[in-house]
Amino acid sequence: SYVLAQPPSVSVAPGKTARITCGGNNIGSKSVHWYQQKPGQAPVLVIYYDSDRPSGIPERFSGSNSGNTATLTISRVEAGDEADYYCQVWDSSSDHVVFGGGTKLTVL
Amino acid sequence: QVQLVESGGGLVKPGGSLRLSCAASGFTFSDYYMSWIRQAPGKGLEWVSYISSSGSSIYYADSVKGRFTISRDNAKNSLYLQMNSLRVEDTAVYYCARVAAEYSSDYWGQGTLVTVSS
Repeated sequence: SYVLAQPPSVSVAPGKTARITCGGNNIGSKSVHWYQQKPGQAPVLVIYYDSDRPSGIPERFSGSNSGNTATLTISRVEAGDEADYYCQVWDSSSDHVVFGGGTKLTVL
Repeated sequence: QVQLVESGGGLVKPGGSLRLSCAASGFTFSDYYMSWIRQAPGKGLEWVSYISSSGSSIYYADSVKGRFTISRDNAKNSLYLQMNSLRVEDTAVYYCARVAAEYSSDYWGQGTLVTVSS
């Protein structure tokens, strides 16, 4: 089965740029989606189709995907961005949805 | 606006059964695939199952295949998850979600907690 690997944690100072990676075999050939989840809340889609933003998501959130790594980039990080972030793909070989293990973003 | 409201969670003994429901509103339910996704306490997200808009295509995670059954009633704008032979490791918050582009989930319910314990 397809596996997505994320770092357990990333720390960043306010105003700086956070990059959260999602590794998978030839993930560049798949569409990657990213979710933000704050404590006690349901996840929120922040990036879909590798780099598209749903309405209402700030432009500070961006995504890229190439080779074996997809990346969620959060520019000018704010305290309110502190959350868990999950990447997700659809594995066509198994018709299964696959989530990464999640990354806890800490704003210092 | 899109709303998804889950219900039916609770405490059940190992080996027991439970049926979750998800009431949808604010969009044409019959046009969308729908998913169940769960999250064990303190853990990450785990996809459980999805069902096509007509109900003709259904897929399950290996961890629940043969024990869980997803279904939908488009006339009632409702999604269901019948969970049988429940195990302690099925303890989680269960979310229903609307499936969008490339199997992303663009709207989620607030979740319902299922606790499997003796």
